Amino acid sequence: DGGITQSPKYLFRKEGQNVTLSCEQNLNHDAMYWYRQDPGQGLRLIYYSQIVNDFQKGDIAEGYSVSREKKESFPLTVTSAQKNPTAFYLCASSLSRGPPFYEQYFGPGTRLTVT
Amino acid sequence: GQQVMQIPQYQHVQEGEDFTTYCNSSTTLSNIQWYKQRPGGHPVFLIQLVKSGEVKKQKRLTFQFGEAKKNSSLHITATQTTDVGTYFCAGPGETSGSRLTFGEGTQLTVNP
Repeated sequence: DGGITQSPKYLFRKEGQNVTLSCEQNLNHDAMYWYRQDPGQGLRLIYYSQIVNDFQKGDIAEGYSVSREKKESFPLTVTSAQKNPTAFYLCASSLSRGPPFYEQYFGPGTRLTVT
Repeated sequence: GQQVMQIPQYQHVQEGEDFTTYCNSSTTLSNIQWYKQRPGGHPVFLIQLVKSGEVKKQKRLTFQFGEAKKNSSLHITATQTTDVGTYFCAGPGETSGSRLTFGEGTQLTVNP
């Protein structure tokens, strides 16, 4: 079965701790993305990567870091510098870097709660 | 930077009523995509429109792309409870590449 997996589904952390969210895809997609979603709001882009060993900041990259060492994997680290890290985090991938632009496939998401 | 706006933010309808959400971009789009997110779920791709004035249908859903390629709409005829969710439009960013700018979404609730 092809798709995107994110783990864990729920994650609880204490303030001041770094936490890494996992994202793996077996769709052979070049591009991968991380979004943050707050209750009742849209998707805000944190980081994206269009090719292995390269990534770009999105609109809200401060307090986050990523790596793209393998095509299949794009982990996101939420650092202690992120002021308000509690949110729903979504990972996505798409076939190419565009154009043409292909649809994005989303993982099931990780709900992070920091107290 | 590019902005994508959607209205309304919320829409409550009785089952059987029609529903429309509108999407407007601050810049011309090469294409526009629509996604649906069920409550507690993740966004799922619905459709992509590419051509100016394009209209596409998926059963009770009708998607339009404006002539100037700066706006789009999604219309649902005779809503059902299965239509509940948040509908997002998204367009490619100005700086090329594959990133999308998402609208804030329209949250649809359907009363049975």
